[in-house]
Amino acid sequence: KNQVEQSPQSLIILEGKNCTLQCNYTVSPFSNLRWYKQDTGRGPVSLTIMTFSENTKSNGRYTATLDADTKQSSLHITASQLSDSASYICVVSGGSNDYKLSFGAGTTVTVRA
Amino acid sequence: GAGVSQSPRYKVTKRGQDVALRCDPISGHVSLYWYRQALGQGPEFLTYFNYEAQQDKSGLPNDRFSAERPEGSISTLTIQRTEQRDSAMYRCARTEAGLNEQFFGPGTRLTVL
Repeated sequence: KNQVEQSPQSLIILEGKNCTLQCNYTVSPFSNLRWYKQDTGRGPVSLTIMTFSENTKSNGRYTATLDADTKQSSLHITASQLSDSASYICVVSGGSNDYKLSFGAGTTVTVRA
Repeated sequence: GAGVSQSPRYKVTKRGQDVALRCDPISGHVSLYWYRQALGQGPEFLTYFNYEAQQDKSGLPNDRFSAERPEGSISTLTIQRTEQRDSAMYRCARTEAGLNEQFFGPGTRLTVL
C-alpha cells in the first residue's frame, strides 16, 4: 500500500483562480515532506521542503502546509497561471531510511484560460 | 538544468534483449538514486549509491536489474532479458553534499516490444 496518498487525482481550474491539493501520508518516523512540480515530459522539480517543525512554507504563488500530528499536507496555488498546468507530487522521506523517498501518485492540474 | 544528464533519452528494444541506461551527474555529487516512473504514477525507488558504494538496492524488482557506479560518478542501470512490463521512464537523481534535496534528470523512456 502506498504510504503517500494524494487527492484529487486531477483537477481543472480557470486561470486566475486558486486551488488546494491534499496529501496524506503514513511514513513513520517522519523526516521531511516535499512538493514537486512535474511538467509533462520532464523530471520533477522541487517546490518546497518542510521538516516536522515547519507548518508552512511558501515559494512564490505556491504555499505548502504541514500538520505532522495528523500527517497531512496541502499545496495551495494562488492566482493560477497557464504555466501551472502540471503534475504536483507529494514526497515524504523518513521510515527506516531517511534518504528513501516515498512518492504520491500526483495530482494533475490543468489551468484553462 | 538539474545537473544530471541521462542517455539515451529514448530506448526501444525487443523483449529478451539487455539494455544499459546511463546517468551522468555533475561531478562531485555524493549520492545518486535510480527511480522508475510508470505513466500517471510518481517515481518508485530502485537503488541508491553513496559515492561508488551501492547502499540500498531493495527497490530493484528482480535479479534482472542491476546498477553500478564504479568510480563514484557515472552510473549504469542494466536490465537483462527485458520484458514488456519493464517499459517505463527511468529517472536518475542526485543530491549535493550536505543537502537533502534531490535533483532529477530528464529520464530515459524505455519501451520493450
